[in-house]
Amino acid sequence: QQQVKQSPQSLIVQKGGIPIINCAYENTAFDYFPWYQQFPGKGPALLIAIRPDVSEKKEGRFTISFNKSAKQFSLHIMDSQPGDSATYFCAASMAQGGSEKLVFGKGTKLTVNP
Amino acid sequence: EPEVTQTPSHQVTQMGQEVILRCVPISNHLYFYWYRQILGQKVEFLVSFYNNEISEKSEIFDDQFSVERPDGSNFTLKIRSTKLEDSAMYFCASSGSRLDTQYFGPGTRLTVL
Repeated sequence: QQQVKQSPQSLIVQKGGIPIINCAYENTAFDYFPWYQQFPGKGPALLIAIRPDVSEKKEGRFTISFNKSAKQFSLHIMDSQPGDSATYFCAASMAQGGSEKLVFGKGTKLTVNP
Repeated sequence: EPEVTQTPSHQVTQMGQEVILRCVPISNHLYFYWYRQILGQKVEFLVSFYNNEISEKSEIFDDQFSVERPDGSNFTLKIRSTKLEDSAMYFCASSGSRLDTQYFGPGTRLTVL
């Protein structure tokens, strides 16, 4: 199964809140899990990425939690700001396994109210 | 900061016409990709390209599609005979190696009438 399932489809939080976006996958051959942020009219931009040998990665206000046994990973945004309002995509690939194509989730539209 | 650029930003064409979408990847990158995003849907992989040949393609990338790196800097996607369902945002991406981050361009919005 090549799919990556992402939820929720949309999310509204207040400034300072901690939105959490979840993704699940079936293919255990996936070995690279990036999160992309997309603003309207722009291309996706890499936010943070993780490989399955670690359970958590933090960069600034963004944290990925990775649960290999459950085949799930999630993005947490600490102290969210209105400027974080964007669509977030999780993705997966098997770059070390010979396929670097990114398989994307359907996206989560995040709105952070001031 | 180096970035991927794409032209045109918006292309309108009639069904059955050929279109060429152009991309300039980041200069020292060796791996190139095309993805598309139909309005409101997820980003979908079309094709990857390395060492002047296709390394992987999806089922979407049928005989109507082709890619080329004509001059060592541009990377193009050609759709020979466009269909209504080809209307989408097309993103080019590039990376320095197979394991590196893929950097996306701003996209070309293709509208087929």
